[in-house]
Amino acid sequence: SQKIEQNSEALNIQEGKTATLTCNYTNYSPAYLQWYRQDPGRGPVFLLLIRENEKEKRKERLKVTFDTTLKQSLFHITASQPADSATYLCALEWRVGEYGNKLVFGAGTILRVKS
Amino acid sequence: GAGVSQSPSNKVTEKGKDVELRCDPISGHTALYWYRQSLGQGLEFLIYFQGNSAPDKSGLPSDRFSAERTGGSVSTLTIQRTQQEDSAVYLCASSSPSTTQYFGPGTRLTVL
Repeated sequence: SQKIEQNSEALNIQEGKTATLTCNYTNYSPAYLQWYRQDPGRGPVFLLLIRENEKEKRKERLKVTFDTTLKQSLFHITASQPADSATYLCALEWRVGEYGNKLVFGAGTILRVKS
Repeated sequence: GAGVSQSPSNKVTEKGKDVELRCDPISGHTALYWYRQSLGQGLEFLIYFQGNSAPDKSGLPSDRFSAERTGGSVSTLTIQRTQQEDSAVYLCASSSPSTTQYFGPGTRLTVL
């Protein structure tokens, strides 16, 4: 069966440390993998996209890796801050039709950064 | 508009009633998507629109759920004869060929 798994337990870390979140999937061959942030009562907000032929992508304090052999993506937040506390969602993406894309989401990992 | 908007933000209804949820996508976005998020769960895809047509309805849970989009813009998700298991946050997103999906704030539906 097809599955997307993220850390089921909340991740609690100290301010200034690096947070690492994991996304594993089975029986999918996505063209892209995305990471979203979701705050309580809000819709997800896009953070980063990485293509199947890319190993690593960076944006400011964020870094994403994508290993299509292991079927795993790692999401890193360096120098974490309390404001980074949120739920982080991993999503696999395929193109559908001429202009659309289909996303399949993991359940998300809650990150809590303590000062 | 500046972003995707959804209304109402909260809806409480009684079991068996029909509800309509509305989504206003970002102006110019040709693709529109509906998702459902139950408590502690990931987003569950419901339906995708390209323009006014829906090439992928594979996620609609039952024939009580339907959606339409008019004028290539506003979309309405209708749930008939609501059940308690329909309680969730319903999220709408839109995209253009050159962008990823942008999400609205969602409608929290509670079926008593």
